[in-house]
Amino acid sequence: DTAVSQTPKYLVTQMGNDKSIKCEQNLGHDTMYWYKQDSKKFLKIMFSYNNKELIINETVPNRFSPKSPDKAHLNLHINSLELGDSAVYFCASSQDSPTVTGELFFGEGSRLTVL
Amino acid sequence: KNQVEQSPQSLIILEGKNCTLQCNYTVSPFSNLRWYKQDTGRGPVSLTIMTFSENTKSNGRYTATLDADTKQSSLHITASQLSDSASYICVVSDGSGTYKYIFGTGTRLKVLA
Repeated sequence: DTAVSQTPKYLVTQMGNDKSIKCEQNLGHDTMYWYKQDSKKFLKIMFSYNNKELIINETVPNRFSPKSPDKAHLNLHINSLELGDSAVYFCASSQDSPTVTGELFFGEGSRLTVL
Repeated sequence: KNQVEQSPQSLIILEGKNCTLQCNYTVSPFSNLRWYKQDTGRGPVSLTIMTFSENTKSNGRYTATLDADTKQSSLHITASQLSDSASYICVVSDGSGTYKYIFGTGTRLKVLA
């Protein structure tokens, strides 16, 4: 009974391709996030949506485009993939903002390898 | 600039031993601090959350402390087990009302038999 699920778990692709990662949460949370974890294991925020509205958009290349069809889903589409995009991408959700309880629930991650 | 720094970067201990991980932050205004455990190949999972007024919080063999004056937190693991081998991440939320969590660089703990 997975709370935050991401697909695919592994993705290997060639430079220049376009790929998508899907995320769904069944916790009834209002806020969803995409994080990128680099080789040094540092988690960096990319995007956040609250009730389908974009609330955080960090300095991310516009090749990355998030889409939230409803508050339970947040997908990440990446155009023209580059070598530097290789990383593990984590989806997360929270019920409240960080200033309240706001515990983050993470998916299992999607490891993207660009060749 | 809001930052969270953790030490040590990595740690190796023998099973059954205790260890303490450190987290220093410069986040202002401060709201709360969380410790997460990330097993290899998995997503981070919350261990504890501490607000400004809390000094200590325990979760089984994990005990977190917070000193809001010095802006330091520690995570103490008692009687370590092989399953404690993981990365431990300190995450601080500021009180400005944004949805940003400030992540530390993590401590990689390896427990040996």
